[in-house]
Parts: sequence; C-alpha cells; structure tokens
Amino acid sequence: EAQVTQNPRYLITVTGKKLTVTCSQNMNHEYMSWYRQDPGLGLRQIYYSMNVEVTDKGDVPEGYKVSRKEKRNFPLILESPSPNQTSLYFCASSLDRVNQPQHFGDGTRLSIL
Amino acid sequence: LAKTTQPISMDSYEGQEVNITCSHNNIATNDYITWYQQFPSQGPRFIIQGYKTKVTNEVASLFIPADRKSSTLSLPRVSLSDTAVYYCLGAPRTGNTPLVFGKGTRLSVIA
Repeated sequence: EAQVTQNPRYLITVTGKKLTVTCSQNMNHEYMSWYRQDPGLGLRQIYYSMNVEVTDKGDVPEGYKVSRKEKRNFPLILESPSPNQTSLYFCASSLDRVNQPQHFGDGTRLSIL
Repeated sequence: LAKTTQPISMDSYEGQEVNITCSHNNIATNDYITWYQQFPSQGPRFIIQGYKTKVTNEVASLFIPADRKSSTLSLPRVSLSDTAVYYCLGAPRTGNTPLVFGKGTRLSVIA
C-alpha cells in the first residue's frame, strides 16, 4: 500500500531534549516536505526537499533541522525543543513540487512542556 | 511571497451545492492549482487539481478563470460526510520556493 509513515504519532517531552520525528514513503517520490499545523494558521511549510541531499527552508524553519540521505526518508529534528514548537506535524511526499498531488502522513502531535 | 485567501468557514444543508473560492496572487504561470480535504486527526487528502477552465472528477469540480487569480471548488449535493476543512494550494511564481497553503475553509454540513 502506498503510504507516508510518520513516527511517533504522539510525543510529550520537555524543553531542550532533542527529538527526531521520522518520515518514510514507499512511492519513490522525489519531493518531500514537513508542515506544522496550528489553530487558525493552517498548514505552514517548515522544510522541503526536491531530491536526495537537497533541502530548503520553508516558511517557518527556525528551530528545526532536516536531512535527506535517502530518497524514502526525511526526518525532522528538533535539537532543542521549546514550548512554541508544540504543534501537529505532517510529512508529505509527491512526484514533484506542485504538479503532482502530495500524499500526507497521519500526523505527529508534539507537546513540549 | 505568494498568498492564498479563503473564507474561514461555511455552513450548508445536506443536498446543496457548495462553492468555496480561493484567491491566490503571484502563483506560477505554468503550475497547477490543487485542493485538499482534511478530516479531524488525519492528514490532508487530495481532491482535485487544475490548470485552467474547468476540471471535474467523481467528487468535485474546479473552476479556474483565465487570469488564474482565483479558483472555485464546487462540491455537488454535499452530505454530512463532507464536513471537513478544505485547503487550496497554488505554487508561488518564483521557482523552488516554499509552498503556501491557504488557512483552510471549515465546511459544516447540517442535516
């Protein structure tokens, strides 16, 4: 089954404790991205990757890191999480940046205390 | 930076046609305009995509005027299960830049 898999689905942690949210897709997609979703603000892009070893900042990249060492994986790293990063996060992948539909994961709800 | 604007919310009765319009400035000339649907506790799901004029699939129609400064998602005869948040997405005119979703329109279908 074609899918985007995120882990964990839920995480409660404390300020400053490094965490990684994994994202994996099995559709051989070139384009992958991370979004955060907050009430009243919709989906905002954090980082995106056009292909392996190519990553770029989205609208709200501060406090986040990503890597794209393999085509299928695109982890999101919070080196020193802060409470303002409490949010619902989605990973997505598609064949290209915009002319092919994006496939979204089921989301990761992060709470930073 | 490209920006998309949608109504925050809409209400409709079951069986009615619903039209949601998105305004998008500065989108790329050759790129598609895409709409997504999102249910609570799920990721957004692709509904329909178009470049110009009218596109129709089994769930919706999409109308895009010639100037491409807006697009209208049309849902025929909505049911309670169409209650969701709907997002439009247009690609910014300058290449390899962040994608900008609208803030979404919360559609509530009433019996």
